Amino acid sequence: GENVEQHPSTLSVQEGDSAVIKCTYSDSASNYFPWYKQELGKRPQLIIDIRSNVGEKKDQRIAVTLNKTAKHFSLHITETQPEDSAVYFCAASSKGGSEKLVFGKGTKLTVNP
Amino acid sequence: EPEVTQTPSHQVTQMGQEVILRCVPISNHLYFYWYRQILGQKVEFLVSFYNNEISEKSEIFDDQFSVERPDGSNFTLKIRSTKLEDSAMYFCASRTQGLTEAFFGQGTRLTVV
Repeated sequence: GENVEQHPSTLSVQEGDSAVIKCTYSDSASNYFPWYKQELGKRPQLIIDIRSNVGEKKDQRIAVTLNKTAKHFSLHITETQPEDSAVYFCAASSKGGSEKLVFGKGTKLTVNP
Repeated sequence: EPEVTQTPSHQVTQMGQEVILRCVPISNHLYFYWYRQILGQKVEFLVSFYNNEISEKSEIFDDQFSVERPDGSNFTLKIRSTKLEDSAMYFCASRTQGLTEAFFGQGTRLTVV
């Protein structure tokens, strides 16, 4: 089955710096890759997603890149702010069947003011 | 904005007791899921439900677990005889057909004592 690896497990940056989180997946049939932000004690919330027919997607300060050949995708946050501090999870899903999400282990991002 | 709702928000139960976790997915969604998250760990897939039947279940979802959609709106997860290791946050999620955003409920924190 699908396996998603995520790095780093913790990331600390200064406010205004960029943050990059990387994920790799094992199943070449995966074709949907969402990123979720989870604040302490709250539900995961989608911040951006990308499908396999696209190499890059951007939404204001957040961007995601996908390299299908290498089976990895990355989240880029620019001009980080303290409110970006949270745990970020990448996930992968493939069409057909249950289309379940397989999550990475998460990255705890801390943005220091 | 429509959202997935879960009740209760917190459930404490004695080991060996049955619990039922309840979810109301978004009304026009077709795929329904239960995930769990042990404290500090990643979100793990339990089961998916589509067209009034289980479409996939994980190794975690053994014969102590069951799901129902009794009335076309509620979606329930039952654990027949709880164990200490069932203590976790349980998230319900739903999505429309195709590889689209999975919307998560706010979770039920299950504590087995």
